[in-house]
Amino acid sequence: SQTIHQWPATLVQPVGSPLSLECTVEGTSNPNLYWYRQAAGRGLQLLFYSVGIGQISSEVPQNLSASRPQDRQFILSSKKLLLSDSGFYLCAWRGLAGGSTDTQYFGPGTRLTVL
Amino acid sequence: AQSVTQPDIHITVSEGASLELRCNYSYGATPYLFWYVQSPGQGLQLLLKYFSGDTLVQGIKGFEAEFKRSQSSFNLRKPSVHWSDAAEYFCAVGAGDYKLSFGAGTTVTVRA
Repeated sequence: SQTIHQWPATLVQPVGSPLSLECTVEGTSNPNLYWYRQAAGRGLQLLFYSVGIGQISSEVPQNLSASRPQDRQFILSSKKLLLSDSGFYLCAWRGLAGGSTDTQYFGPGTRLTVL
Repeated sequence: AQSVTQPDIHITVSEGASLELRCNYSYGATPYLFWYVQSPGQGLQLLLKYFSGDTLVQGIKGFEAEFKRSQSSFNLRKPSVHWSDAAEYFCAVGAGDYKLSFGAGTTVTVRA
């Protein structure tokens, strides 16, 4: 079966510091991968998605970047964090096999607080 | 582009009572429709999905949803809620272009 991991689970960082959040998927090959952010009291905002190694699409201009160095690894980064980067970050994967290929499955999330 | 509206921001229901969460979508063709649930501090868990066929879909945790094309709706229901159903619920629509559009979510509070 497929599983998705995110770490760290919780992170507190000062303004201006760098960021690296990692997401890995097990039990599937060549998944589509996604990064979402939930700000307090708001819905899900799609930040990036990737359909393959090195292929990244950005949905909104922002202070963050994403990379996919391996098939099942997706990394969210920032060189200098802003207060507005605080939120709950969710990684998701979408399989390409079978009929229900639009289904996305989510990881446990990372709570980021920027102080 | 597709979009989703969840008209109710917050619903309070008594334990044992029925629950219905509304979802309206906007999309020109037959959409893929989903309901997810999120407990505090957790990721999203898939409750159920509709792709085609029977318009009444059964999901996990005793939930069901009905796709009504004429009303562009995909409402979620549960006949008898449990305290553990207190969570935030998200409706989502997909159009086969890699992305899902999510509603703003409905928070469900269950009172004893």
